[in-house]
Amino acid sequence: ELKVEQNPLFLSMQEGKNYTIYCNYSTTSDRLYWYRQDPGKSLESLFVLLSNGAVKQEGRLMASLDTKARLSTLHITAAVHDLSATYFCAVDTQGGSEKLVFGKGTKLTVNP
Amino acid sequence: EPEVTQTPSHQVTQMGQEVILRCVPISNHLYFYWYRQILGQKVEFLVSFYNNEISEKSEIFDDQFSVERPDGSNFTLKIRSTKLEDSAMYFCASSLTGGQPQHFGDGTRLSIL
Repeated sequence: ELKVEQNPLFLSMQEGKNYTIYCNYSTTSDRLYWYRQDPGKSLESLFVLLSNGAVKQEGRLMASLDTKARLSTLHITAAVHDLSATYFCAVDTQGGSEKLVFGKGTKLTVNP
Repeated sequence: EPEVTQTPSHQVTQMGQEVILRCVPISNHLYFYWYRQILGQKVEFLVSFYNNEISEKSEIFDDQFSVERPDGSNFTLKIRSTKLEDSAMYFCASSLTGGQPQHFGDGTRLSIL
């Protein structure tokens, strides 16, 4: 059974600082997704990582995937308050229904 | 940009009643999914649907749950006899093909009293 572990689960940081969120998963997959969720809202797709070594950047966020280590990272550069949200990684099970298995999420709070 | 739409946004129901949650996936998508998120917890897979049949379902999706694509546009989730623990946000998602990114609707918040 595919398991997805995120850490940290809670992250409080100051504006202007850098930090990394980690996502480990237990079985082979080369399709990983990062989503953002604001309180009471839906899941907004941030990044789609489809191969080993994939790196994608959007603004202050950068995501990478290492399929051999079964690890993805979401790096935050010079955080701003608007980045406060919960970030989920999700792994595609591949084969069959292609369902997504989500991590527990990282609740990020950026303090002024 | 095309989007997945869900109705209602909030449903309040008495325990034991039936509820139907509705979704309109993106029109050319072929794979459809339901997920749920209990408040403060992670998103959990319920069921996937392709070619007019269920392709996979989770342990949560017991015989109280059913899905249907009654016409060419709607995709519904029915809970026959709701329980308190069914209270959650239910998300519908669709993808063009298997392995393509899944697009999520805004969700239906289901509250069971």
